[in-house]
Amino acid sequence: GAVVSQHPSRVICKSGTSVKIECRSLDFQATTMFWYRQFPKQSLMLMATSNEGSKATYEQGVEKDKFLINHASLTLSTLTVTSAHPEDSSFYICSAPSGGWNEQFFGPGTRLTVL
Amino acid sequence: AQSVTQPDIHITVSEGASLELRCNYSYGATPYLFWYVQSPGQGLQLLLKYFSGDTLVQGIKGFEAEFKRSQSSFNLRKPSVHWSDAAEYFCAARRSSYDKVIFGPGTSLSVIP
Repeated sequence: GAVVSQHPSRVICKSGTSVKIECRSLDFQATTMFWYRQFPKQSLMLMATSNEGSKATYEQGVEKDKFLINHASLTLSTLTVTSAHPEDSSFYICSAPSGGWNEQFFGPGTRLTVL
Repeated sequence: AQSVTQPDIHITVSEGASLELRCNYSYGATPYLFWYVQSPGQGLQLLLKYFSGDTLVQGIKGFEAEFKRSQSSFNLRKPSVHWSDAAEYFCAARRSSYDKVIFGPGTSLSVIP
């Protein structure tokens, strides 16, 4: 099946710094990708829909100026957490639908820890 | 509002026993439905999906799910649970073909030897 990768898998940063997380579709093109956040022992909460060549669509309550999304190519979407704070510590997961949207493929996730 | 609910936060079953995980959805029309499993330290894996047609869907790892429109449910079942099935299970739904997937709160499954 199709593969979605994320980099880095884990990142630790100091409060106030910015962190960029990459999501790549390795063997297929994805005009749309999704970013989710998962707190410990909780479900995946959709943060935003990333659209290649256009602005991302954010879910209600998600600060678009804090969570910057760039979908610059058909295989890469990036999520930048700006001025990170400890409450931003979470597991961030991206996904991309296959051609025809029969299935969504999920990345392995990025564990962000903000000190 | 569209939502997916999983009434059971945590379930414990004995190895070899049968399993049923409940899922209910609230959508204007029948959504596309999914079951995913997430093991500790692992990514999400799709167990099965329902788009239309036969209401009993077979998936991987011996799982099946039954769609019941009258109950707005899509319950996951397995006749005999293995210790390796211990994981977090998420029911999810999508309103239409080209739409975002919304996840339920998840059910944590523990398996007793």
